[in-house]
Amino acid sequence: DAGITQSPRHKVTETGTPVTLRCHQTENHRYMYWYRQDPGHGLRLIHYSYGVKDTDKGEVSDGYSVSRSKTEDFLLTLESATSSQTSVYFCAISESGLPAEQYFGPGTRLTVT
Amino acid sequence: AQKITQTQPGMFVQEKEAVTLDCTYDTSDQSYGLFWYKQPSSGEMIFLIYQGSYDEQNATEGRYSLNFQKARKSANLVISASQLGDSAMYFCAMRESNGNTPLVFGKGTRLSVIA
Repeated sequence: DAGITQSPRHKVTETGTPVTLRCHQTENHRYMYWYRQDPGHGLRLIHYSYGVKDTDKGEVSDGYSVSRSKTEDFLLTLESATSSQTSVYFCAISESGLPAEQYFGPGTRLTVT
Repeated sequence: AQKITQTQPGMFVQEKEAVTLDCTYDTSDQSYGLFWYKQPSSGEMIFLIYQGSYDEQNATEGRYSLNFQKARKSANLVISASQLGDSAMYFCAMRESNGNTPLVFGKGTRLSVIA
């Protein structure tokens, strides 16, 4: 199994509070990704990183920011959580090119009340 | 426009039977990769099988095979001899631009295997 962990695994927070989710890898992969999973929508890309300090937006980036100061860590921040951000968040890693697959972390279940 | 379309929200299959999960995709790239992932009720994402756009043979991995029809832009997953443990969500996904873009996922198909 790829060495990828997410913390916390579960979190309940109130509307308007800031929240940071952490993704940590031990594989030294170049690419890291944040997805959210909601019923009926599959997995949707929030942000991704293609190197330290290099990030780009995904399909559903509004309300989220990311940072990557080290190869192994990729942080996802909800500046002011809203109920619509209640979701399961997955981090993933990969090398570049094909046929490199994406390896997924265990997920973080976030509930915004 | 949706890049990955999975038209079957849910499917049922009898144990030991084969089942096909449909996936169509949309891209103008010549070099791309197609992936299938399984998500059991425990929640983890498990990679199943990969097909490259230049691969001439259909990919196979144990009981999983990918029916790749490039002209039709379809990449259907075939599971042979279904088992109760195959009950899960299945996602089709694609990486474009020779793999230098993130995976784009379909909405998934929930497969239920009946004893």
